Amino acid sequence: AQSVAQPEDQVNVAEGNPLTVKCTYSVSGNPYLFWYVQYPNRGLQFLLKYITGDNLVKGSYGFEAEFNKSQTSFHLKKPSALVSDSALYFCAVRDIGSGNTGKLIFGQGTTLQVKP
Amino acid sequence: DGGITQSPKYLFRKEGQNVTLSCEQNLNHDAMYWYRQDPGQGLRLIYYSQIVNDFQKGDIAEGYSVSREKKESFPLTVTSAQKNPTAFYLCASSMRTGAETQYFGPGTRLLVL
Repeated sequence: AQSVAQPEDQVNVAEGNPLTVKCTYSVSGNPYLFWYVQYPNRGLQFLLKYITGDNLVKGSYGFEAEFNKSQTSFHLKKPSALVSDSALYFCAVRDIGSGNTGKLIFGQGTTLQVKP
Repeated sequence: DGGITQSPKYLFRKEGQNVTLSCEQNLNHDAMYWYRQDPGQGLRLIYYSQIVNDFQKGDIAEGYSVSREKKESFPLTVTSAQKNPTAFYLCASSMRTGAETQYFGPGTRLLVL
């Protein structure tokens, strides 16, 4: 079955330190992978996506993610965290083997807390 | 939140009542989606539509209905058959299905009186 796992419910980092939010996936074909961020009582904002090509994807607000096919992972990273990065982060995958429906499978989310 | 609007921001439902959540987009997107968000469970797909006058059930369609009479509009009705409707509802749209990014509206929080 297709699935996305975010193994950490919460990640705590100090401002200025690097951050990593983990994501692993399981799909039947080649994945399209996405990261979104959600601030309280708001919709999801798109950060970045991996479709094909370079395994390191750069996105909005200084975030980047590395696609690792052998480890089936797509971890979100940022070299220097800001307090304003504190939010709920979602990883999602679309299995291109499922046809052209565009259906996304979401992880359960990881709360990032950046402390001053 | 781009060019996707959802209304109302908060909605209260009484027992046995049907309520309709509005979703409008001015992005000229073909595909539209409805998701339900519950704490600790991520987002789950309720319904999606790839073109006007066509829609498909997602993973949790029971107790919900939709229509797609116009490209820019995709309203969701939460019927009385949905026994646990309290949740945050998110609408999304994309240029077309496939690799295109889905963009989300600001959401509607539905509460039961």
